[in-house]
Amino acid sequence: ETGVTQSPTHLIKTRGQQVTLRCSSQSGHNTVSWYQQALGQGPQFIFQYYREEENGRGNFPPRFSGLQFPNYSSELNVNALELDDSALYLCASSTRSGTANSYEQYFGPGTRLTVT
Amino acid sequence: SQQGEEDPQALSIQEGENATMNCSYKTSINNLQWYRQNSGRGLVHLILIRSNEREKHSGRLRVTLDTSKKSSSLLITASRAADTASYFCATDEGYSTLTFGKGTMLLVSP
Repeated sequence: ETGVTQSPTHLIKTRGQQVTLRCSSQSGHNTVSWYQQALGQGPQFIFQYYREEENGRGNFPPRFSGLQFPNYSSELNVNALELDDSALYLCASSTRSGTANSYEQYFGPGTRLTVT
Repeated sequence: SQQGEEDPQALSIQEGENATMNCSYKTSINNLQWYRQNSGRGLVHLILIRSNEREKHSGRLRVTLDTSKKSSSLLITASRAADTASYFCATDEGYSTLTFGKGTMLLVSP
């Protein structure tokens, strides 16, 4: 157990709908990253938040957006869902202090999203 | 896009044997990390090796890094059935965002 929690565990949505996934970081961690993992693939970086601001983004369209709150918890929002958005969504928390990064990331159990 | 590529894609061994997985990557890195994933759930961090390190040990795990060849290997010694999982290498270019490979599925039979 890493101390990172995600909700919900599973979710089924219809194409065109919107979804919000939630992540609670490990205590003391101020950075959260989101990854998408399609079946049989490795995780792909979506974006990272540090001190409530987006701090890096992967090759994902703007309909993928996020928030980080003052308590360092985070949300991933996906609008206009497509069938290809079906995947396991993982969040990971870590610590950053100035320019010093703690590179080890602690992953939550993931949210499995199915789009029909 | 995937940077790390693991080899083999799948590996089946008997308990007690050693398992070796390899990872190749394309760009300069700050560090390389190995993760384990059971049954499509969350990733568990195994070991991190920095770009100026060549070898690192943690329990039954041994990781090597060759930056000139842009490759790394993970050795699990004396494997157990509980080691059955998917193993991923991930590269960090210095921004604390990880680029993963497609993984190696390891099956350890009793």
